[in-house]
Amino acid sequence: DTEVTQTPKHLVMGMTNKKSLKCEQHMGHRAMYWYKQKAKKPPELMFVYSYEKLSINESVPSRFSPECPNSSLLNLHLHALQPEDSALYLCASSQVTEVSYNEQFFGPGTRLTVL
Amino acid sequence: AQSVAQPEDQVNVAEGNPLTVKCTYSVSGNPYLFWYVQYPNRGLQFLLKYITGDNLVKGSYGFEAEFNKSQTSFHLKKPSALVSDSALYFCAVRGMEYGNKLVFGAGTILRVKS
Repeated sequence: DTEVTQTPKHLVMGMTNKKSLKCEQHMGHRAMYWYKQKAKKPPELMFVYSYEKLSINESVPSRFSPECPNSSLLNLHLHALQPEDSALYLCASSQVTEVSYNEQFFGPGTRLTVL
Repeated sequence: AQSVAQPEDQVNVAEGNPLTVKCTYSVSGNPYLFWYVQYPNRGLQFLLKYITGDNLVKGSYGFEAEFNKSQTSFHLKKPSALVSDSALYFCAVRGMEYGNKLVFGAGTILRVKS
């Protein structure tokens, strides 16, 4: 299985809602990533988990809360978002982060709209 | 600082003609270079990477890329473009700086016309 899956595909939420994005991979990768992507722009790194521990937080606002329950799953909990948070949220995985030439495998993304 | 430049916002090519999407990089130490493609409303798909060795790297869907150390470039090429190659292409570099993070270029839209 060489796939990263993400659910839901689309999400519309109000600014007072709480929702979660989910990501799953079964490639045995020990590094997982969350990216935010605006239309026709490159992905922006948000968080990196390495061996289920948060290793990089790119100064992301606390209304985004990541969680890595096990080596296959990655969640992104959302609360009190702003309209400017509307974007495509991409999950990716790779073999360990310490080796720079490991490519990342991306999921299809969740299209988030904040009203 | 680690950076990637894609000098062309858009590249237009006729179907059947060769295509080139340009990428230049700046990194301390050995560069690890990647190309990804993104189709509309989809995630990024890995095409190919350069680690070391042969300067011509072959990847998925008939794409290849040429690493040129003296020009610090890693241009993506394909001998004969298909309409289905139309997409957004990202070059990326990863090195020892910044915790091994992947740094993306701004992206190049490729349009192949029949």
